[in-house]
Amino acid sequence: EDQVTQSPEALRLQEGESSSLNCSYTVSGLRGLFWYRQDPGKGPEFLFTLYSAGEEKEKERLKATLTKKESFLHITAPKPEDSATYLCAVRETSGSRLTFGEGTQLTVNP
Amino acid sequence: GAVVSQHPSWVICKSGTSVKIECRSLDFQATTMFWYRQFPKQSLMLMATSNEGSKATYEQGVEKDKFLINHASLTLSTLTVTSAHPEDSSFYICSARNSFNTEAFFGQGTRLTVV
Repeated sequence: EDQVTQSPEALRLQEGESSSLNCSYTVSGLRGLFWYRQDPGKGPEFLFTLYSAGEEKEKERLKATLTKKESFLHITAPKPEDSATYLCAVRETSGSRLTFGEGTQLTVNP
Repeated sequence: GAVVSQHPSWVICKSGTSVKIECRSLDFQATTMFWYRQFPKQSLMLMATSNEGSKATYEQGVEKDKFLINHASLTLSTLTVTSAHPEDSSFYICSARNSFNTEAFFGQGTRLTVV
């Protein structure tokens, strides 16, 4: 059974204070690992797809990396508008569904 | 990214009535659509998966007769909550994916309140 564990559950940063969010996963065969951002009362917004170990993707202040066991979402010099819940999900090669982690609630204080 | 539109954004209904939520893919053909339920401070819980033209596959513990899912076209899926009760109050979110891409895109969500 696929498993996704995200840490920490919550993270408070000062504006400009860089940090990383972790997503550990167990899957029989990885078709893709996904990062989403969710604002309160909204649906998740797609950020990145990573397919294989060693892959990296960047978007503005965010950078996602992938190993065979975990993924990191690095946030460089965050701003208050980066405050949101960040969700990690995996899809296995033989399946259609996504398995989500519980998310990391990020708060960036000005 | 692709756009998925969900309507309504919020709805209040009386106990015992039915409510329909629509999910549309606006700029791509959604061969697969998913319906999720999300409780406060929790992650997404998959309710069912539907492929266009086929019956939905429901997750264990989800009542098929209570949560009716229709995926009649490549751009539209609907979730009908039948005989709604206060315990059905929740945030419902749809997502859609086409046959070419791995990622799924989400609608804005629908806040259902049953009074």
